[in-house]
Amino acid sequence: ETGVTQSPTHLIKTRGQQVTLRCSSQSGHNTVSWYQQALGQGPQFIFQYYREEENGRGNFPPRFSGLQFPNYSSELNVNALELDDSALYLCASSSGTVPYGYTFGSGTRLTVV
Amino acid sequence: DAKTTQPPSMDCAEGRAANLPCNHSTISGNEYVYWYRQIHSQGPQYIIHGLKNNETNEMASLIITEDRKSSTLILPHATLRDTAVYYCIVRVAAGGKLIFGQGTELSVKP
Repeated sequence: ETGVTQSPTHLIKTRGQQVTLRCSSQSGHNTVSWYQQALGQGPQFIFQYYREEENGRGNFPPRFSGLQFPNYSSELNVNALELDDSALYLCASSSGTVPYGYTFGSGTRLTVV
Repeated sequence: DAKTTQPPSMDCAEGRAANLPCNHSTISGNEYVYWYRQIHSQGPQYIIHGLKNNETNEMASLIITEDRKSSTLILPHATLRDTAVYYCIVRVAAGGKLIFGQGTELSVKP
């Protein structure tokens, strides 16, 4: 089975720009979550999608938005980038079978300058 | 906020058992204990989870105290490749976010 793949692996953007990060879920997984990990910190939950609907959101402003597609792949969009948005963005998928763990991708390293 | 407390760092000699403690004194009856680890610049990797019984898999063992207020992750024969940040997380089984704390940075030394 394939794991979770994220693209791109690295990205540099200018403050004020918009960015789209992509995630392909592990085969058979219908739930996807996104996390932001600042340097030296644990990952922070952004939001989660289940069967194309958002079903949980962390303490992030509305300029962080997402989509999940019928094939369960997902996008994270961030508008009006700020310097503090520089971080590793992680995507995780799960099958929804209780109890379940998440499979994480290797992340996208976003640098905002 | 994370519902777990872990020591910030630990050292272990290669080939010896690594015992990583975690306190979760406010755990609810329907919450599981999950362990993940994160090797530098990679995504977190699932290790093991349990509810109240001790669990073992090919990677590690999980010992949960009878009152479920603490647990210990055991890597029986640590190798240099086990050097990573280890996160202990409590969460309900049926969905919901993972709340990561600071984790324990384990350094396995030759």
